[in-house]
Amino acid sequence: AQSVSQHNHHVILSEAASLELGCNYSYGGTVNLFWYVQYPGQHLQLLLKYFSGDPLVKGIKGFEAEFIKSKFSFNLRKPSVQWSDTAEYFCAVADTGRRALTFGSGTRLQVQP
Amino acid sequence: DTGVSQDPRHKITKRGQNVTFRCDPISEHNRLYWYRQTLGQGPEFLTYFQNEAQLEKSRLLSDRFSAERPKGSFSTLEIQRTEQGDSAMYLCASSSTSDTQYFGPGTRLTVL
Repeated sequence: AQSVSQHNHHVILSEAASLELGCNYSYGGTVNLFWYVQYPGQHLQLLLKYFSGDPLVKGIKGFEAEFIKSKFSFNLRKPSVQWSDTAEYFCAVADTGRRALTFGSGTRLQVQP
Repeated sequence: DTGVSQDPRHKITKRGQNVTFRCDPISEHNRLYWYRQTLGQGPEFLTYFQNEAQLEKSRLLSDRFSAERPKGSFSTLEIQRTEQGDSAMYLCASSSTSDTQYFGPGTRLTVL
């Protein structure tokens, strides 16, 4: 069965700091990869996705993620965070033969002004 | 707003009662998904419809849970004889053939 690990459960940064959130998955086949964000009081929103092609994908609000197949990783990055990035971030994986997403347990990001 | 909508947003019920939630997907999305999310965890897949056909069910979906999508548009999720362990946020998502799932605001269920 698939599983997704997000090793950072709670991250606290100051504004303008750089961000990297780790995501590792266990599945040997072809996968689609996603990062979702949940701002306080709001529903899950898609941040970015990777299906194929260039392993460096850019999403909304200056976020990007890099797919490294050999490491089964899909880490999320942002060079300079803002207070408005305070939210919970979820990595999710779907193997291309199924539709169900498998989510990690999430990383709560707190950005201090 | 043409996003995924869910009703009700909050439901408080007593143990043993039945509850039903409704999800309206983004129009023209033929795929609809139900997930459950508990505090401190990511969403867990429950079931998936393509049009009116229920194509996949998780082992999390016990016999007390049933989902329908009778006309391939909205969907309902019913929980019979609720238990305290059913307390969670129930999320609905929809997608087109692009496989990108868009989530609704969820229904928060509290079983007393």
